[in-house]
Amino acid sequence: DAGVTQSPTHLIKTRGQHVTLRCSPISGHKSVSWYQQVLGQGPQFIFQYYEKEERGRGNFPDRFSARQFPNYSSELNVNALLLGDSALYLCASSLESYEQYFGPGTRLTVT
Amino acid sequence: GQSLEQPSEVTAVEGAIVQINCTYQTSGFYGLSWYQQHDGGAPTFLSYNALDGLEETGRFSSFLSRSDSYGYLLLQELQMKDSASYFCAVRNSGNTPLVFGKGTRLSVIA
Repeated sequence: DAGVTQSPTHLIKTRGQHVTLRCSPISGHKSVSWYQQVLGQGPQFIFQYYEKEERGRGNFPDRFSARQFPNYSSELNVNALLLGDSALYLCASSLESYEQYFGPGTRLTVT
Repeated sequence: GQSLEQPSEVTAVEGAIVQINCTYQTSGFYGLSWYQQHDGGAPTFLSYNALDGLEETGRFSSFLSRSDSYGYLLLQELQMKDSASYFCAVRNSGNTPLVFGKGTRLSVIA
């Protein structure tokens, strides 16, 4: 079975722009979570979706939004990009929340 | 609030045993997980403890003491490939997301 996939792998954007990151979970996993990981830190929770409904939201501004589609894939959108949004964005799918399966991540650089 | 504390760096010799500690303060507690992340890679699940005691999976073991809000990851027979960052993570209830610590960077030297 394929693991969690994310696209794109790398992205360079300018301040003020908008970005959309995509994630496909492992087949059969209905829960998708998004994390932001800054260099030298642990992943920080952004959103969790289960069966297309938002189950949780971390301490991130409203510029961050997400959704989950009927096939359980998910998108993370970030508006009005700031330099501080530069990070590795990780998507994880799971059957049980304590065992998350992470994708390879999208490295976002905001200049 | 929630906080997890783990050492930032640990260095150990190949073939040795190393213990990475994690203490946590959370409003609720449902379990402690451990993840490994190699440079440039994604975190991968290692172990989970919901109850007090030791869980063993091959060379890796994880321990939890709920009364002490403390856990550790034990790596035996260290190999060079074990050089990576190790994160402890907690969840407050069955449906809440994981909260990760800042990670411990383990360097295995010859």
